[in-house]
Amino acid sequence: AQKVTQAQTEISVVEKEDVTLDCVYETRDTTYYLFWYKQPPSGELVFLIRRNSFDEQNEISGRYSWNFQKSTSSFNFTITASQVVDSAVYFCALSEAYNAGNMLTFGGGTRLMVKP
Amino acid sequence: KAGVTQTPRYLIKTRGQQVTLSCSPISGHRSVSWYQQTPGQGLQFLFEYFSETQRNKGNFPGRFSGRQFSNSRSEMNVSTLELGDSALYLCASSLDTSGRYNEQFFGPGTRLTVL
Repeated sequence: AQKVTQAQTEISVVEKEDVTLDCVYETRDTTYYLFWYKQPPSGELVFLIRRNSFDEQNEISGRYSWNFQKSTSSFNFTITASQVVDSAVYFCALSEAYNAGNMLTFGGGTRLMVKP
Repeated sequence: KAGVTQTPRYLIKTRGQQVTLSCSPISGHRSVSWYQQTPGQGLQFLFEYFSETQRNKGNFPGRFSGRQFSNSRSEMNVSTLELGDSALYLCASSLDTSGRYNEQFFGPGTRLTVL
C-alpha cells in the first residue's frame, strides 16, 4: 500500500531564510505521480507541482525548487528566500498509476511559519 | 473560468442527523473526488466519481456515500452523523481526458461541525 511521510510537522523560519520540506514515500507501483500542494489559512489546496516516476529531473520555479530522488524515495521541496506569504501548510501526495483514477494519498503536512 | 465551488461552506448538525454536501467542478471536468480533512487523521480520500460512476473508494464506512450527475456535479451524503465526522470536506475536479492522472483542482471545502 502507498504511504507518504512528512516528518516535519512544523517549521518556523525568519523571512529570507531558505527552508526545505521533506517528503518520503512508499509504493509498490513502478509508475506513480508525486505532488506538492499548499494550503493557506483559507483552506483551499493549491497545486504546486506534479512529477511522474520516470522524470527525476529537479525543477525550479521562481523561489521554489523540488528534488526528486527515486533511490531514497524522496521528493523534497525547497523555498529560497522565504516570505511571510509562504506561511501555510504544505502537503506532499502520491498517486499510483494502477488506480486508473485520481486517488491521492497525502502526507500529514508540514506547517511552515515565516516570521518577518 | 470559474473554479471548483462547494456548498454550503459551513454546516452545523447534531449527532444522528444526515447531511448532503455539493460540489460543482470546473466546467468540462469529468472527474470529481472527495477528501476528508481532520486534525487527527489528516487528508483522507473518500471516493471519486467519473462519468456518473464511482471509480475509486477510500476506507470509509457505508454511512458515507456519493453520486455524480450527468453535468458532472457531485454530492456526498453522510448519514447518522457522529462527532468524529466533524471535518473539512474537500472536493477536487480533474479534466481526465485520457484516463491517466491529471492535475486536480480543489474547492474551498465545506466545514462540517457535528454537535
